[in-house]
Amino acid sequence: IAGITQAPTSQILAAGRRMTLRCTQDMRHNAMYWYRQDLGLGLRLIHYSNTAGTTGKGEVPDGYSVSRANTDDFPLTLASAVPSQTSVYFCASSDSAGGPGELFFGEGSRLTVL
Amino acid sequence: GQNIDQPTEMTATEGAIVQINCTYQTSGFNGLFWYQQHAGEAPTFLSYNVLDGLEEKGRFSSFLSRSKGYSYLLLKELQMKDSASYLCAVRDGDYKLSFGAGTTVTVRA
Repeated sequence: IAGITQAPTSQILAAGRRMTLRCTQDMRHNAMYWYRQDLGLGLRLIHYSNTAGTTGKGEVPDGYSVSRANTDDFPLTLASAVPSQTSVYFCASSDSAGGPGELFFGEGSRLTVL
Repeated sequence: GQNIDQPTEMTATEGAIVQINCTYQTSGFNGLFWYQQHAGEAPTFLSYNVLDGLEEKGRFSSFLSRSKGYSYLLLKELQMKDSASYLCAVRDGDYKLSFGAGTTVTVRA
């Protein structure tokens, strides 16, 4: 039982480099999300996708892009990383068909930009 | 965006009860969630309220008052494993979920 898989688990990156964080779910959930978590600020929504083929901006989208080519995959790309993007990134999914539609989270990707 | 407030830290003794308050202001409301997050791990779902009142789930209960923009999470019979961060989250009219900064609960023996 995988649920949501994120890769890499941890990465150190030079400023200015391009980076893609991968996220795959096997629960066939329609909605997927990317959050970043910083000390004292909690989880902040970067981008989301309510269904395959659609994406939307969250609270802190600048410097990030996403795509949703299919139901399972939702990669997050940093086109040119900056030190302020040092954070723990969580991918999550939810299924609004029945139940409260709670989020299921991946284990997180710890990114350090130097 | 949302404005979600909860205390930063709370400390309690094993076997005791702790109540974590959460106040919020939101544009549209489609439910309030509580998540638990142990250090270095992903958040996990604890409870959901969409109507006013108390929802009980074993040792954990959650209360909601929509008119007051207020919720609390009640942890009873505290155990050492309950030491964690507890996140209050509100789903808005667009079905996006916003989180408070979290309350770190430390359980002492």
